[in-house]
Amino acid sequence: GQNIDQPTEMTATEGAIVQINCTYQTSGFNGLFWYQQHAGEAPTFLSYNVLDGLEEKGRFSSFLSRSKGYSYLLLKELQMKDSASYLCAQGEYGNKLVFGAGTILRVKS
Amino acid sequence: KAGVTQTPRYLIKTRGQQVTLSCSPISGHRSVSWYQQTPGQGLQFLFEYFSETQRNKGNFPGRFSGRQFSNSRSEMNVSTLELGDSALYLCASTGQGARDGYTFGSGTRLTVV
Repeated sequence: GQNIDQPTEMTATEGAIVQINCTYQTSGFNGLFWYQQHAGEAPTFLSYNVLDGLEEKGRFSSFLSRSKGYSYLLLKELQMKDSASYLCAQGEYGNKLVFGAGTILRVKS
Repeated sequence: KAGVTQTPRYLIKTRGQQVTLSCSPISGHRSVSWYQQTPGQGLQFLFEYFSETQRNKGNFPGRFSGRQFSNSRSEMNVSTLELGDSALYLCASTGQGARDGYTFGSGTRLTVV
């Protein structure tokens, strides 16, 4: 998505914590989604933020600040299976998702 | 319950041909949206259907079209295929609200030669 920016790649160590940031310019959206996509597979839904603040789901947390045009996905206790692409997306009218280019996360032992 | 089913999984077509892809949403889901995923452009929204009506459309040429049937199954069609149409085509369905997320199918990998 041309209005959504994410780092291209990140590397982290097994057991560590990693934060993947997402910044955007378009403010009129319904909510902010995070998806995980393993190579060759479909994206899977991780989290959804509609209000500012933190949403926690097990090892994954997502944060949104609409005033700052900023979201992040926090992954704790990293596991090798967390190596994947992480996609930030804005939800718009008519169930349209506008995706960022994605962040490839590599987890090393 | 069964997930989102897309058929076929793989397809090879020649330039100038047309192709039809199918998507069966999760039972009870009335919204189906389609996306094109390529290495260069990422995931891009094609269109969305709800109760047989197209509610939203992305910035793709008119060669890309779709429809939805009364049982919520959806098809997308691409006419006069071009090499650049080679991509993974994904559909997603959703039920009551965005908070439940959108469930994607495994996609159809289209190669145009």
